[in-house]
Amino acid sequence: EAQVTQNPRYLITVTGKKLTVTCSQNMNHEYMSWYRQDPGLGLRQIYYSMNVEVTDKGDVPEGYKVSRKEKRNFPLILESPSPNQTSLYFCASSFSYGLNEQYFGPGTRLTVT
Amino acid sequence: AQKVTQAQTEISVVEKEDVTLDCVYETRDTTYYLFWYKQPPSGELVFLIRRNSFDEQNEISGRYSWNFQKSTSSFNFTITASQVVDSAVYFCALSEANRYKIIFGKGTRLHILP
Repeated sequence: EAQVTQNPRYLITVTGKKLTVTCSQNMNHEYMSWYRQDPGLGLRQIYYSMNVEVTDKGDVPEGYKVSRKEKRNFPLILESPSPNQTSLYFCASSFSYGLNEQYFGPGTRLTVT
Repeated sequence: AQKVTQAQTEISVVEKEDVTLDCVYETRDTTYYLFWYKQPPSGELVFLIRRNSFDEQNEISGRYSWNFQKSTSSFNFTITASQVVDSAVYFCALSEANRYKIIFGKGTRLHILP
């Protein structure tokens, strides 16, 4: 089954404790992206990747890192999480950038206390 | 600059009524792509439709229809004879051919009342 998976689905952590949210897709998609969803703000792009080893900042990259060492995986790293990173995070992938629709993971709800 | 505006934060209609969700976009590119996604109460994001900037044909899919007008930079979404299952948050999104970012609107929360 074609899908985007994210882990964990729920996470409660404390300020400053490094964490990684994994994202994996099995569709051989080139373009992958991370978003955060906050009430009243919609979906905002954090980082995106055009292909392996090619990543760039979206609109809200501060406090996040990403890597794309393999085509299928695109982890989101929070080196020192802060309470303002409490949010619902979505990973997405698409065959390529532009015309192709994105397939979204189920979301990761992160709470930083 | 890229921008997507969904001015309607929340809409409530009674079942079987028609409802239109507005989406207005800004872009300097001549080649761009527009999308609508649905987020039901279960939380997943589901693709509904895409349009490229060279295709202004309206589209109908069952009870759903989309009206793309470049002259007004709008890509509106109409649900005809709404049903309770249409209750969701709907997002409009824009991607430009020469940039690799994707911009979403803030979404419109649609309540269909039985």
